[in-house]
Amino acid sequence: DGGITQSPKYLFRKEGQNVTLSCEQNLNHDAMYWYRQDPGQGLRLIYYSQIVNDFQKGDIAEGYSVSREKKESFPLTVTSAQKNPTAFYLCASSPGQGRNQPQHFGDGTRLSIL
Amino acid sequence: GENVEQHPSTLSVQEGDSAVIKCTYSDSASNYFPWYKQELGKRPQLIIDIRSNVGEKKDQRIAVTLNKTAKHFSLHITETQPEDSAVYFCAAILTGGFKTIFGAGTRLFVKA
Repeated sequence: DGGITQSPKYLFRKEGQNVTLSCEQNLNHDAMYWYRQDPGQGLRLIYYSQIVNDFQKGDIAEGYSVSREKKESFPLTVTSAQKNPTAFYLCASSPGQGRNQPQHFGDGTRLSIL
Repeated sequence: GENVEQHPSTLSVQEGDSAVIKCTYSDSASNYFPWYKQELGKRPQLIIDIRSNVGEKKDQRIAVTLNKTAKHFSLHITETQPEDSAVYFCAAILTGGFKTIFGAGTRLFVKA
């Protein structure tokens, strides 16, 4: 069954701590994305990757970092520089450039500060 | 820059009535327009989409219309049911692109 798997479902961060959110897809999609969603708000793009070993900043990249070492995986690290990390984080993927297809989303990770 | 405006931000209808959500996009190079439904605490899920070479598309109670000249597209839900209550996002993708520009969302309440 193809899809996008995000883990963990819930995550708590202590002051000054970096945490990493996992995102794995088995859809053979080239492009992957990370969004942040605050309560009652829309989707804000953090980072995106068109292809392995390449990624670009989105609209709110400060305080976050990513890597794309494998096609299937696009982990997001929320660093201590992100002073307000509490939000719902969504990972998505799509076939990639030149193929106008919708993004598919994972179930999300809810991050809170301890 | 690229932008998608979505209205209204909140919509309340009586069960059985119709609901209409409207979006306007800024980049005329956009050619693909998906709509997503997000239930509370869940992932956004694609419910319908339309491409720029089509003016209207229907799937049971849901329809989407596109006016490329005016750069408007709309979602129409007929015979609304309580389970239609959710947040709906419109989006636009540029020709040959992969980056999706999302609207801010519309929270739909269907009252039984």
